[in-house]
Parts: sequence; C-alpha cells; structure tokens
Amino acid sequence: KNEVEQSPQNLTAQEGEFITINCSYSVGISALHWLQQHPGGGIVSLFMLSSGKKKHGRLIATINIQEKHSSLHITASHPRDSAVYICAVYGSGNTGKLIFGQGTTLQVKP
Amino acid sequence: GAVVSQHPSWVICKSGTSVKIECRSLDFQATTMFWYRQFPKQSLMLMATSNEGSKATYEQGVEKDKFLINHASLTLSTLTVTSAHPEDSSFYICSARATGLLVMNTEAFFGQGTRLTVV
Repeated sequence: KNEVEQSPQNLTAQEGEFITINCSYSVGISALHWLQQHPGGGIVSLFMLSSGKKKHGRLIATINIQEKHSSLHITASHPRDSAVYICAVYGSGNTGKLIFGQGTTLQVKP
Repeated sequence: GAVVSQHPSWVICKSGTSVKIECRSLDFQATTMFWYRQFPKQSLMLMATSNEGSKATYEQGVEKDKFLINHASLTLSTLTVTSAHPEDSSFYICSARATGLLVMNTEAFFGQGTRLTVV
C-alpha cells in the first residue's frame, strides 16, 4: 500500500461542476503539497499546508492532521483546469524529501 | 511565487552521448535541489538530492556514475546523463527549496522539466 493514496485516479467533469480530489496518507508529516501538472509536464505548486484550510481563487485545500487526510476542491470548474493533480507530503524528518501520491487526472469538458 | 528554471525543455541525443540538464533558482537561494524522473502515466521518482558544495545523495538503484549531479552554487544544479541509452529516455524534473533554518517549512518549486529522447 502506498504511503500517499489519492482518489479518484481519474475524474471527468462538466464545466462549472464542483470537484473534490482526496488524499490520504499513512505517515507522520510536517506539511503537504498540492501540485498541478499540465500535459506539457511542468509542475506548479498550488498549496503547501500543515493545518486548516487555504484558498486561492477557485481552489480550496483542506487538511485534517488527526485523520491524515487532505482534500483539494475546485469550484466552478473550467476546461483549463484539466491537468494531473498530485498530493505530496513531507515526512516528519527534516530531509526535505517529498512522498508523492499517484496523481489524479482531471478532465473538464466544456 | 519563486521561479525555478530548467533547461533545456526537450532534447534528442544519440546513444552513447552525454546530456546536461540545468536547474536554476531565479529569485532565491537553494541549498538543496532534488532531481526526479517520471515515466509516462506514473508519478515522480526521486533520483537524488543535490546539496550545494557537497556530494549528491542518490536514491537506491540510481547509478551515480551514470547520472552525475553538480551543485556548484546556491542557484544552480546540473544533472548530466552520461553515455545515454534509449532506456534513459524519460521526463526529468528538478525542484528547489529556499534556504532556511528548517528545510521542512519551505515550499518546493519545480522546474518545467526536460523531456529526453535517446535515439
């Protein structure tokens, strides 16, 4: 079993829909990243959080440390949101290494 | 946000030649940079941790003589794929974290990636 599990692995939505991607992890962490990877391959960091909730535009990320669970929400989804979303965690040791989930491929149809 | 520039974005080379990929932090200093490899439809696989002024730390199974890493300054790390073979064809991407007292508290920024094709 992977240390970081994402669900769903694939997601197709209609433009305007509210989208939720989930991430569960089994290790102690110091922080969690939500990353976005577009078809060209480049990766953008959307959020880094260690508690509570963060919001940026139409994106919202939450984390529950006790339950070892994080969610990424996209409101009013748009075709340009189509990408792979990756959850990655920093282990509790101070190594700076990220442990990656397998990614969620999102396609938003117009 | 901070910018990490990776160059080249794609490269095609012949078997047996070497290819150098650069990763630069443009507006911050990075004591530590990470090099990843990604196969199609798979997640990123950490190859090595690049430390400024010292030897890189390689993950198990990664050949240090094949994938040479140099981190000569606080803003530049290079990955050289030596004697490249078709099986080295992959997507390589770097990330950098700002220098700080507590590495764990600093956000990671990623380069654009390099798609290497060895023919």
